[in-house]
Amino acid sequence: DTGVSQDPRHKITKRGQNVTFRCDPISEHNRLYWYRQTLGQGPEFLTYFQNEAQLEKSRLLSDRFSAERPKGSFSTLEIQRTEQGDSAMYLCASSTPGLAGGGFFGPGTRLTVL
Amino acid sequence: SQELEQSPQSLIVQEGKNLTINCTSSKTLYGLYWYKQKYGEGLIFLMMLQKGGEEKSHEKITAKLDEKKQQSSLHITASQPSHAGIYLCGAGNQAGTALIFGKGTTLSVSS
Repeated sequence: DTGVSQDPRHKITKRGQNVTFRCDPISEHNRLYWYRQTLGQGPEFLTYFQNEAQLEKSRLLSDRFSAERPKGSFSTLEIQRTEQGDSAMYLCASSTPGLAGGGFFGPGTRLTVL
Repeated sequence: SQELEQSPQSLIVQEGKNLTINCTSSKTLYGLYWYKQKYGEGLIFLMMLQKGGEEKSHEKITAKLDEKKQQSSLHITASQPSHAGIYLCGAGNQAGTALIFGKGTTLSVSS
């Protein structure tokens, strides 16, 4: 499968714990995006990477959230001191410049914070 | 900030019927994307429209962009149960670095 992959697909954690999600984009895509989606809503933009550089961050990305893309390939999203309000689907997408802002999405990681 | 309004919010159609979903932006559109999502899964890319008047088709799904009205429509011809899901429109921001999404239209197709 040459699509965008995300791991894990589901994560249940207790409030206050740290969690880390991984995204592997389509190999030739230099742009990578993280979005968050809650029930009944469309995805909300969190952050954007071009190669290894994090070029844009939403105000939704509080200081408890950090994202990296160290070698310009896979990316990780870490949430520290999770809160119940962090429960959501975390979606990763990748694209070439021709599909700027969007492109191909992964299956998502569903986070449940108890 | 830009907002996208989708209508209708939900739709139930009989198999074989045609349907249209609309997406209206509060600001100028810089690229309009249509995605389909099954409940609890990721988004499947359907089409991207960039120019006013542009129209694209994929199988029985056609999307059009009306730049002047800041609106796009998605039309499904002869709907099938496989068309059921949530349809989302997303608009690119001016910098091309993010998408702003509508809340989605849930489509059910009864056989």
